[in-house]
Amino acid sequence: GNSVTQMEGPVTLSEEAFLTINCTYTATGYPSLFWYVQYPGEGLQLLLKATKADDKGSNKGFEATYRKETTSFHLEKGSVQVSDSAVYFCALTPGNTGGFKTIFGAGTRLFVKA
Amino acid sequence: EPEVTQTPSHQVTQMGQEVILRCVPISNHLYFYWYRQILGQKVEFLVSFYNNEISEKSEIFDDQFSVERPDGSNFTLKIRSTKLEDSAMYFCASTPLAGGYEQYFGPGTRLTVT
Repeated sequence: GNSVTQMEGPVTLSEEAFLTINCTYTATGYPSLFWYVQYPGEGLQLLLKATKADDKGSNKGFEATYRKETTSFHLEKGSVQVSDSAVYFCALTPGNTGGFKTIFGAGTRLFVKA
Repeated sequence: EPEVTQTPSHQVTQMGQEVILRCVPISNHLYFYWYRQILGQKVEFLVSFYNNEISEKSEIFDDQFSVERPDGSNFTLKIRSTKLEDSAMYFCASTPLAGGYEQYFGPGTRLTVT
């Protein structure tokens, strides 16, 4: 089946630290991969996406590379800010063989301290 | 920039009552979705809707749930007889096409069943 596994949180970092949130997936076919962010009390916002192997998605200093060989899509940022404190969800859309719904990981809460 | 809107932002209802959650997807989008997020848990797919019919639904989407596109703009989720465990944040989403395209999420409706 299709599923997403991401590292458990919370993750607590100091401002300007390097961030990695691990995400691996299981999918039939060739999924598209996404990272969504949810700030406190708000809805889901798309952070970045990648639609095929070796694609790198990037936005607001965050990056993730679609690695088919390791079925991974780890989120990284070189220098986090307090304003990055949020819950981050790794997600996939299976595609033609698995449907078009979005399947989410459990989410990883990030706290950034000043 | 066009966005998905949802009303109400918060709905409180008594167990056994019917509720209708409303969504206005982005105007040129063709696929519509409902998801829910129980507090502190992952976002779960409920149902997808295309061409005026359900294209896929999850095990959660039982006979108590129904969806409708009553006119050219609204997309609704009805829960016929609410249970305590229906308390969650409900997100509507839409995409212009199926598969490979990120879903645009609304801000959510928080449903509280007492």
